[in-house]
Amino acid sequence: DSGVTQTPKHLITATGQRVTLRCSPRSGDLSVYWYQQSLDQGLQFLIQYYNGEERAKGNILERFSAQQFPDLHSELNLSSLELGDSALYFCASSPGTGGSNEQYFGPGTRLTVT
Amino acid sequence: AQSVAQPEDQVNVAEGNPLTVKCTYSVSGNPYLFWYVQYPNRGLQFLLKYITGDNLVKGSYGFEAEFNKSQTSFHLKKPSALVSDSALYFCAVRDRGVMNRDDKIIFGKGTRLHILP
Repeated sequence: DSGVTQTPKHLITATGQRVTLRCSPRSGDLSVYWYQQSLDQGLQFLIQYYNGEERAKGNILERFSAQQFPDLHSELNLSSLELGDSALYFCASSPGTGGSNEQYFGPGTRLTVT
Repeated sequence: AQSVAQPEDQVNVAEGNPLTVKCTYSVSGNPYLFWYVQYPNRGLQFLLKYITGDNLVKGSYGFEAEFNKSQTSFHLKKPSALVSDSALYFCAVRDRGVMNRDDKIIFGKGTRLHILP
């Protein structure tokens, strides 16, 4: 158990809908990262927050947004969902910021768009 | 941009034999390199990292990785494979971005390791 929690575990929704994925980092970790894992694209970095501020951005679509709250939990919002958004979404955390830190991953949220 | 390549989609090894999972990298400057493992229906777990120092890095579960600057490689190794080592393995590299903005980790496509009993 990494100490990172993600809810929900599974989510099934229809095209055009909006969903919110939630992540709680390990105790004491200030950074939260979001990743999308799909069979054809592999593991894609989406976005990172450190202590409430956006720090790094990857291949995140404009339909997706995220935020980190004062209690350090984070939410990833996915809107106008398309079939291609079906994937595993992982959250990870680390104590600091920057790419030199190892990251601790949650169990993931499996999103199915029908 | 920094990148890693994992040339093998799948590697099969008999239990008890040594295993190697290959990774090559392309970076400007000194590389920060990582290996992660993903067991079925789980998130990724950190195995080891190389930042500087000894070219042979030891990690969790008996794994080690050898940094080779001349060959730009960072292969993952284990002297004797276990069936429980069967999983998806990811090599990753630090990408500092522009002016250290968007400092992040870039993951390879992954290599599925099958250990045959």
